[in-house]
Amino acid sequence: QKEVEQDPGPLSVPEGAIVSLNCTYSNSAFQYFMWYRQYSRKGPELLMYTYSSGNKEDGRFTAQVDKSSKYISLFIRDSQPSDSATYLCAMADTGGFKTIFGAGTRLFVKA
Amino acid sequence: GAGVSQSPSNKVTEKGKDVELRCDPISGHTALYWYRQSLGQGLEFLIYFQGNSAPDKSGLPSDRFSAERTGESVSTLTIQRTQQEDSAVYLCASSLIEGAHDTQYFGPGTRLTVL
Repeated sequence: QKEVEQDPGPLSVPEGAIVSLNCTYSNSAFQYFMWYRQYSRKGPELLMYTYSSGNKEDGRFTAQVDKSSKYISLFIRDSQPSDSATYLCAMADTGGFKTIFGAGTRLFVKA
Repeated sequence: GAGVSQSPSNKVTEKGKDVELRCDPISGHTALYWYRQSLGQGLEFLIYFQGNSAPDKSGLPSDRFSAERTGESVSTLTIQRTQQEDSAVYLCASSLIEGAHDTQYFGPGTRLTVL
């Protein structure tokens, strides 16, 4: 079993839809939870970062962490065609430098 | 300012040949990471450099893989006697200080194809 599980998709939604992306994990030591966005033939870029449990909102993006269920989510409101990309969840434990990435979910937002 | 750069952007090689991939981190970033991304897979950690400390090589898949970094500057990842399963995108990232929670800035990657 992988430490981080993420459905690779693809996920196709119409413009304006609410998108929900999710990851599950097995390592209870994870404390840092990140979402990266990767456009085609580009490197990933950090989108959201959350420490421990709770929610974090940034514009149209909301990250949620439920440590009791070992489950994290990224919500995108009013999705735009420019949101079409691969979204990777990533996690790390306290003081650890080694970041474990999910496989990434490919998202297509249709105009 | 300039981001992380990698060269070459694409590399096609024949099975059994050696390849060298280069990463120029953001100036002043003390931490540097190498990852491998295969089709449909997440980023696989390969190696981590932090300042003058000994690198963490725990992610290197075999002894055909090695990496060096000069101080806090450029790093090279070398793959000897390449195999077809080495075909992937190799990504480099740097961060300002040590710690997984520090933002990692990624380069565009080198796409390696082994024929």
